[in-house]
Amino acid sequence: SQQGEEDPQALSIQEGENATMNCSYKTSINNLQWYRQNSGRGLVHLILIRSNEREKHSGRLRVTLDTSKKSSSLLITASRAADTASYFCATGDPSGSARQLTFGSGTQLTVLP
Amino acid sequence: DTAVSQTPKYLVTQMGNDKSIKCEQNLGHDTMYWYKQDSKKFLKIMFSYNNKELIINETVPNRFSPKSPDKAHLNLHINSLELGDSAVYFCASSQGIKGQETQYFGPGTRLLVL
Repeated sequence: SQQGEEDPQALSIQEGENATMNCSYKTSINNLQWYRQNSGRGLVHLILIRSNEREKHSGRLRVTLDTSKKSSSLLITASRAADTASYFCATGDPSGSARQLTFGSGTQLTVLP
Repeated sequence: DTAVSQTPKYLVTQMGNDKSIKCEQNLGHDTMYWYKQDSKKFLKIMFSYNNKELIINETVPNRFSPKSPDKAHLNLHINSLELGDSAVYFCASSQGIKGQETQYFGPGTRLLVL
């Protein structure tokens, strides 16, 4: 079954605004990762946050993790048209026994110029 | 200097045909994956290989057979193609074996079965 669920499914904002996407998951995790997929392209890794971390920054990206609520958020500040893409969260289980990342269903972000 | 490459990028074929998709990574990673992405963009793991050995074989039809001649290559062969096989197939790789590491994706192969 699908581990991560992104919310909202689609988000449309104006250039310069901030975009927030949320991810909820069901079981314990070792880490949570966010990926971006531009139209017609493969997924690109953005940021990884470990289960013992609460917040992480990378450029205009800010990721938070709340393991008690089994949720994470991705904030993109000062959005640009080039940020238009689908964003996926992915989780890995703590034991590593699943030997895989489980991806959510994605949020389609549209940044209007 | 492409990290993970796939060929072909587009594949249009008739039902019943057999086709192969090739994947190569030059990152020196130990593990490679095949994913299927459907029209709703849901990404589903199909296979995972570590050092030429199959680790994951999710419930996919046995018409799909992965082949790894060496740890830099993981090819996907599909027999008797069906309409429902139409999707985008992504190859990916990662260092390590636990599957929790950052994954690097290829550009995808868009398969259309007519």
